[in-house]
Amino acid sequence: DVKVTQSSRYLVKRTGEKVFLECVQDMDHENMFWYRQDPGLGLRLIYFSYDVKMKEKGDIPEGYSVSREKKERFSLILESASTNQTSMYLCASSLSGTGKETQYFGPGTRLLVL
Amino acid sequence: GQQLNQSPQSMFIQEGEDVSMNCTSSSIFNTWLWYKQDPGEGPVLLIALYKAGELTSNGRLTAQFGITRKDSFLNISASIPSDVGIYFCAGRGYGGATNKLIFGTGTLLAVQP
Repeated sequence: DVKVTQSSRYLVKRTGEKVFLECVQDMDHENMFWYRQDPGLGLRLIYFSYDVKMKEKGDIPEGYSVSREKKERFSLILESASTNQTSMYLCASSLSGTGKETQYFGPGTRLLVL
Repeated sequence: GQQLNQSPQSMFIQEGEDVSMNCTSSSIFNTWLWYKQDPGEGPVLLIALYKAGELTSNGRLTAQFGITRKDSFLNISASIPSDVGIYFCAGRGYGGATNKLIFGTGTLLAVQP
């Protein structure tokens, strides 16, 4: 079974803090994704990566950056957290090149910025 | 970003009833996926569809990839209380970044015992 883990289930930070959200997958997937989920807005793609050190902006990249130094790990960084970044953050991964790129999700990190 | 039109937004049903929900898109897709999300958890894949007309079952769940490639539906038969959650459809289109999915806004299902 595919396993995607996220470093924290719940996180409380103060405005202006630098925040790191970590995601690890154990299935040697090339692609990794970060989404945020807000009521009424569904899942919105922040960034994705299709290889080590490669990244592409999603639909809402402002205020975020990412890092992919190793294939299994994809980090989301909030350089200076703001209250409007309070949300549920979901990481996902998928294989590449199969024509059947199903995404598998982690359990999510619920971030509260005060 | 583009989103799929998923309906209904919510359903409140009695245990034992059948459930049907669907997603439509303005563009054609080559993949349709259905996920379920329990409260406070990440989405879990239920069914994956890769071919127009494909009909796939997973226990009491059945999903179909529409012939037009612009829609998909999910049916749940004989619902039980643990079916409660949010159901999302997701699709992948032709062109653009082939590894990106587009998500529906979700159907909230409540089942009364």
